[in-house]
Amino acid sequence: EAGVAQSPRYKIIEKRQSVAFWCNPISGHATLYWYQQILGQGPKLLIQFQNNGVVDDSQLPKDRFSAERLKGVDSTLKIQPAKLEDSAVYLCASSSRDGKLFFGSGTQLSVL
Amino acid sequence: DQQVKQNSPSLSVQEGRISILNCDYTNSMFDYFLWYKKYPAEGPTFLISISSIKDKNEDGRFTVFLNKSAKHLSLHIVPSQPGDSAVYFCAASDGGGGADGLTFGKGTHLIIQP
Repeated sequence: EAGVAQSPRYKIIEKRQSVAFWCNPISGHATLYWYQQILGQGPKLLIQFQNNGVVDDSQLPKDRFSAERLKGVDSTLKIQPAKLEDSAVYLCASSSRDGKLFFGSGTQLSVL
Repeated sequence: DQQVKQNSPSLSVQEGRISILNCDYTNSMFDYFLWYKKYPAEGPTFLISISSIKDKNEDGRFTVFLNKSAKHLSLHIVPSQPGDSAVYFCAASDGGGGADGLTFGKGTHLIIQP
């Protein structure tokens, strides 16, 4: 069974630029999550989708972050414009029916 | 306000000995607790979980203990092996089980020495 796929693996941008991350969850997983992990911290939930609807985006900085999952499968997370403090690993995850969470390898973002 | 705390950023243990990783929480509504393991450049992977109706759950070399009155849980690894060297995250949920609404600790870097 293929795992959660994310791209790119690494991204370096300058502050005020925009960036987008892509995620393909495990086939059949209806729930998809985006987490932000800052160095030295645990993962923090940014947004949760159930199929193509948003379940929880309470911790998403909506002035600069946006996410979509238009067809209920793939998802993109965008930051526009990026700030220095957005440097982090962005993890996508999906969950199975029994509630287990499966993470992708993440996208490491460096904002200079 | 950190609701899940892992106060040891790192822990060094000799191969073959017991590793004990600790986690404290403040939210009394948490009813499901999980441990994830993370290798460098990979995403976290699920290790073991425990519901608040239990005080112990065992899976092979891994055992999680929950002390609700102290709001404390611990992960025991016996015997420790070199492949156990990783960052371990404690996570908690108030959703009755499952993957929703997880709050993670900062992690503990476990180093197994030969």
